[in-house]
Amino acid sequence: AQSVTQPDIHITVSEGASLELRCNYSYGATPYLFWYVQSPGQGLQLLLKYFSGDTLVQGIKGFEAEFKRSQSSFNLRKPSVHWSDAAEYFCAVGPSNDYKLSFGAGTTVTVRA
Amino acid sequence: EAQVTQNPRYLITVTGKKLTVTCSQNMNHEYMSWYRQDPGLGLRQIYYSMNVEVTDKGDVPEGYKVSRKEKRNFPLILESPSPNQTSLYFCASRGLAGGSYEQYFGPGTRLTVT
Repeated sequence: AQSVTQPDIHITVSEGASLELRCNYSYGATPYLFWYVQSPGQGLQLLLKYFSGDTLVQGIKGFEAEFKRSQSSFNLRKPSVHWSDAAEYFCAVGPSNDYKLSFGAGTTVTVRA
Repeated sequence: EAQVTQNPRYLITVTGKKLTVTCSQNMNHEYMSWYRQDPGLGLRQIYYSMNVEVTDKGDVPEGYKVSRKEKRNFPLILESPSPNQTSLYFCASRGLAGGSYEQYFGPGTRLTVT
């Protein structure tokens, strides 16, 4: 069975500082991995995805993520956060067809001035 | 504008009173799905549909029904709502051609069952 663990429930970061959100997955085959962001009162928006190839993937809004098969991880990073990055972030894993995505519990990011 | 819409956005109801949450997409997507979001649990899939008249259970289908009579619409039906169905519900859609794996999410429906 597939599953996703996001170890950090809540992270507070200063504006301009770097951000890293952790994601560990469990999946029997080659995983398809996603990061979504949910701003307050909004639906989910895809930040980036990994299917194959280069293990460092670039997404929207200046985010990137690195797939590490040996660690079963897909951590999300941003070098310098902006106040608008305050949101909840979800990691998800699924098969190639993503018909049954499994989401992590989410990490809430607070940005302080 | 490409979008997924849900109605209503907020709903308070009582136990046992049947309700329907509508979902509509204007992107001609074959695949549509319903999720519920609960604190500390992330999003869990309720039902999904690969195309018209093709639906299947997700991880938490108990107490819910769906139908897919038209490609653009995928309503979620709660025949007899109970307080444990109080949650935030999201509808999503995705095209199945062209190798795009992005699901587009609606704005959410916050349901409270008393």
